[in-house]
Amino acid sequence: GQQLNQSPQSMFIQEGEDVSMNCTSSSIFNTWLWYKQDPGEGPVLLIALYKAGELTSNGRLTAQFGITRKDSFLNISASIPSDVGIYFCAGQLNSGGSNYKLTFGKGTLLTVNP
Amino acid sequence: EAQVTQNPRYLITVTGKKLTVTCSQNMNHEYMSWYRQDPGLGLRQIYYSMNVEATDKGDVPEGYKVSRKEKRNFPLILESPSPNQTSLYFCASSLMGLGEKLFFGSGTQLSVL
Repeated sequence: GQQLNQSPQSMFIQEGEDVSMNCTSSSIFNTWLWYKQDPGEGPVLLIALYKAGELTSNGRLTAQFGITRKDSFLNISASIPSDVGIYFCAGQLNSGGSNYKLTFGKGTLLTVNP
Repeated sequence: EAQVTQNPRYLITVTGKKLTVTCSQNMNHEYMSWYRQDPGLGLRQIYYSMNVEATDKGDVPEGYKVSRKEKRNFPLILESPSPNQTSLYFCASSLMGLGEKLFFGSGTQLSVL
């Protein structure tokens, strides 16, 4: 099946620093998604990207859909303690009809030191 | 309130003792799915269902069963649990299977001794 390589695996940063993480794929996707998982909870959608080259922001978060359709990155500016959690990328491919195959990266664990 | 409800939240069991983790959604979603989350491996799909009586294997289906007799419910069944099925399990539902509409439950932490 499709493989998503997400990096880095973990990050330890100081409050106020900017953060960058990315995902690369062995094949193309129609949609890139970024989720955040707070401790003890299920993942929640942060940003959805639908077109190659698209750059989308959600508050302090910015994500881009790579031109090749095989990669995406997520930036968090001016990090705060509540940014702590696991961030997942996911690629979605509509392989025909209503069969949307969703593949997740392995996650980036973010720790923010106050 | 729109939600996906999983039960139980925590479960400790012994090898070979059949168990069921329930999942229910109140959003009239066609698509439901089960994932397991393990350290360093991220979220891996176990089974999914596009609609009632329509289920299919995900990436790691071995040792699991599912059923979709009603639109709102999608239970995960472990007929004979083994220690390698110790994991954090998530149920999710979505409108038409779209990832951007995917709602996750709060998770079930399963330990098989």
